[in-house]
Amino acid sequence: GNSVTQMEGPVTLSEEAFLTINCTYTATGYPSLFWYVQYPGEGLQLLLKATKADDKGSNKGFEATYRKETTSFHLEKGSVQVSDSAVYFCALDRGSTLGRLYFGRGTQLTVWP
Amino acid sequence: DAGVTQSPTHLIKTRGQQVTLRCSPKSGHDTVSWYQQALGQGPQFIFQYYEEEERQRGNFPDRFSGHQFPNYSSELNVNALLLGDSALYLCASSLMTTGRREKLFFGSGTQLSVL
Repeated sequence: GNSVTQMEGPVTLSEEAFLTINCTYTATGYPSLFWYVQYPGEGLQLLLKATKADDKGSNKGFEATYRKETTSFHLEKGSVQVSDSAVYFCALDRGSTLGRLYFGRGTQLTVWP
Repeated sequence: DAGVTQSPTHLIKTRGQQVTLRCSPKSGHDTVSWYQQALGQGPQFIFQYYEEEERQRGNFPDRFSGHQFPNYSSELNVNALLLGDSALYLCASSLMTTGRREKLFFGSGTQLSVL
């Protein structure tokens, strides 16, 4: 089947610390991989994506590399800010028809000044 | 340009009742997908509507049904509500273009509480 496993949260960091949120997946075919972010009281926003192996998605200082050999798509940021506090979701799209995403459980990130 | 709008934002119902949630897609989008997000969980796909027909369905019972109107807006209906239906219901819209992927845009959701 298709599934996404994220590291357990919550994650608490000081401002300017390095962030890693682990994500591994199981999928049939050749999925696209995504990271979404959810701020309090808001819907999900696409943070970054990668559509094939070895692609690196990046946005707002966040990066993730599609690793087919380890079936992983870990999210990283070199220096987090208080404004990065949110819930982060890893997701995959099987690649058949856009619209059906399989999400992980989410990781709550809190950044302290 | 309005994004995806959902109504109402919050709703309280009792067990056994029926509920209707509404979604207006982002301007120019023609496909609507619905997700259920239980507390502390990731969103789970319910179904997707395109050209006024249900195109894909996740693992949800028939109590969950939907509709898409000619203006591309959509409704999610849940009958015989259970306590376990309490969740944030998210609507996402996209443009179905052959051979080309368009990213999903999510609304802020409707928080449904079943007492």
